[in-house]
Amino acid sequence: QQQVKQSPQSLIVQKGGISIINCAYENTAFDYFPWYQQFPGKGPALLIAIRPDVSEKKEGRFTISFNKSAKQFSLHIMDSQPGDSATYFCAARPYNFNKFYFGSGTKLNVKP
Amino acid sequence: EAGVTQFPSHSVIEKGQTVTLRCDPISGHDNLYWYRRVMGKEIKFLLHFVKESKQDESGMPNNRFLAERTGGTYSTLKVQPAELEDSGVYFCASSRRLGRDNEQFFGPGTRLTVL
Repeated sequence: QQQVKQSPQSLIVQKGGISIINCAYENTAFDYFPWYQQFPGKGPALLIAIRPDVSEKKEGRFTISFNKSAKQFSLHIMDSQPGDSATYFCAARPYNFNKFYFGSGTKLNVKP
Repeated sequence: EAGVTQFPSHSVIEKGQTVTLRCDPISGHDNLYWYRRVMGKEIKFLLHFVKESKQDESGMPNNRFLAERTGGTYSTLKVQPAELEDSGVYFCASSRRLGRDNEQFFGPGTRLTVL
C-alpha cells in the first residue's frame, strides 16, 4: 500500500498567491521528509527537507510545516511565481534504510 | 560536476521484447538507486547498489527485471520479456553517502512504453 499520501493531485494558483501541498504518512520509523521539485524533462531535485524534531523549516519562499502527532507535513510556497510551475513530490525515509517512499505528486500551475 | 545521466530518454517496445536502460551516476557516488513512476502514481523504489553490490532489491517487481552494476560505475536495468504494466518512467539516482546525509540526485529518467 502507498506509504505516503499526497494531495491535491493538481493545483492552480494565481501569481503572488500561496500554494499548499499536503502529505500524510503512517510509518513512525520515518525520520526524514524531503520535498522534490520536478520540471518537465528533468529528474526530481531536492527542494527542502525537514526532520521530525522541528515543526517548521523555511528556505526563502518555501516552508515545510510538520505535525508529528498527526503524521502530516505540508509544503507552502509563498508569493508563488510562474517559474514555480512544476510537479512536486513529498517523500519520507525510514531511519534505518536509504530508500525513499514518495507521494504521488502534485502538478502546480501558477498563472501569470 | 556532471549530473546523473540516463539512456535512452525514451523507449517504445512491443510486449515480449527486451529493453535495457542505462544509468551513469555522479562520479564518486558509490550509491546508486533505481526508482519507477507508473501512470502518474507515486515514484516507487526498485533497488539500491552500494558500489557493485545489491544492498536492497526489495522493490524489484519480479524476475523479469535484472539490474547490474559491474565495476561499481554505471548500472543497467534489463526488462525481459517486457509486459504492458512495465510502462512508466524509470529514474536513477545516486548519492555519495548513506544515512542522515543521504541526498539522492536524480537523473532525468527513461520513459518506457510497452505496446
